[in-house]
Amino acid sequence: GESVGLHLPTLSVQEGDNSIINCAYSNSASDYFIWYKQESGKGPQFIIDIRSNMDKRQGQRVTVLLNKTVKHLSLQIAATQPGDSAVYFCAEASAGGTSYGKLTFGQGTILTVHP
Amino acid sequence: DAGVIQSPRHEVTEMGQEVTLRCKPISGHDYLFWYRQTMMRGLELLIYFNNNVPIDDSGMPEDRFSAKMPNASFSTLKIQPSEPRDSAVYFCASSFYGRDKQYFGPGTRLTVT
Repeated sequence: GESVGLHLPTLSVQEGDNSIINCAYSNSASDYFIWYKQESGKGPQFIIDIRSNMDKRQGQRVTVLLNKTVKHLSLQIAATQPGDSAVYFCAEASAGGTSYGKLTFGQGTILTVHP
Repeated sequence: DAGVIQSPRHEVTEMGQEVTLRCKPISGHDYLFWYRQTMMRGLELLIYFNNNVPIDDSGMPEDRFSAKMPNASFSTLKIQPSEPRDSAVYFCASSFYGRDKQYFGPGTRLTVT
């Protein structure tokens, strides 16, 4: 029979443009958020993280914005390059008890960068 | 540092067989995580260890799955007996800070026929 899988959001951009990938999280108690990049055939790779006491954090060519009011997280990639093409996952975690080590991952967004 | 090491990278087995996946975390990391990734369910945490002790195994799908960490540099995930619905990519990750900055291995692609 036909297999049914997750339908991932997609984003297509031209090389050199800025990319914005969005993520809505569900748990208002989450206090830690992280973005991963996953290339085909590889494991997720850490990009950047942010704690709930911040609303913005910058890395090399990447910025993460956190809006706790609407439970929204975004990843901005400046001057997007073909090597940025991948699936991007946001993940959230809350403090306390046995949940401390647990990251809950979003479904992912496929970013395609055209030369 | 070599990063998280997983073996085998690919495993094809028949239904009913035992499967053992192996992981070597990054040296010095006290936390080790096992995840499963499928098209249907995305990336799911199965179990995680802190200082070789299982902390949360609520993600383990059923009793056919078991995980051990006999020492700080080695962990196994075993499926016995395996079923076709276990087909997935299994990732091991490790971290120094727990949930923070987990570093993933390359994964083991398991196919159960």
